[in-house]
Amino acid sequence: QVQLVQSGAEVKKPGSSVKISCKASGGAFRSFAFSWVRQAPGQGLEWMGGIIPVFDSPNYAQKFQGRVAITADASTGTVYMELSSLRSEDTAVYYCATDGEDWGQGTLVTVSS
Amino acid sequence: QSVLTQPPSASGTPGQRVIISCSGNSSNIGTNYVYWYQHLPRTAPKLLMFRNNERRPGVPDRFSGSKSGTSASLAISGLRSEDEADYYCAVWIDSLTGPWMFGGGTKVTVL
Repeated sequence: QVQLVQSGAEVKKPGSSVKISCKASGGAFRSFAFSWVRQAPGQGLEWMGGIIPVFDSPNYAQKFQGRVAITADASTGTVYMELSSLRSEDTAVYYCATDGEDWGQGTLVTVSS
Repeated sequence: QSVLTQPPSASGTPGQRVIISCSGNSSNIGTNYVYWYQHLPRTAPKLLMFRNNERRPGVPDRFSGSKSGTSASLAISGLRSEDEADYYCAVWIDSLTGPWMFGGGTKVTVL
């Protein structure tokens, strides 16, 4: 089982960017399929994108194309998700997950002026 | 609006059996494995079932999954108070880098 530890809560202004980290331990980092999933208040789970570090070619949900960037740093075993041009509707808990099995604890991002 | 359709709620008394449905089409459920997740408030989602009907190690055998055509279901037998949570079906399309589709979620209440 992989342990995923995410960075802490963020408060951002509309129009700014946020970058969340997800550090993995206990497995073969480069071969995992990492995904980012978010849950807005009162809403369901929503997939944003994914990456397999050994291929280093991220795949993004159409809804977030142009606004999201997912990267992986094998030297530290960390995956990042950066979301730009933030708006209030991006207020959500953001999760990283591996192979659909193990999940990080979640990172609350609040977008407010 | 989710591509995979789940009922918004389901309920039962302790010991009862509850079934949650997940409806899709030939391009998602019809040709891919279905996964089921349990999500408790303020916690990370937990994988219960993978590849339609395989239970993740450590998941009680009260949980079972099935798939037929373009629909899938999760059954919870011997309902317990700790089963009160949101349940999501999910499908990976094409590869593990996605896209990853989720149902809208079903809130299970133990009466």
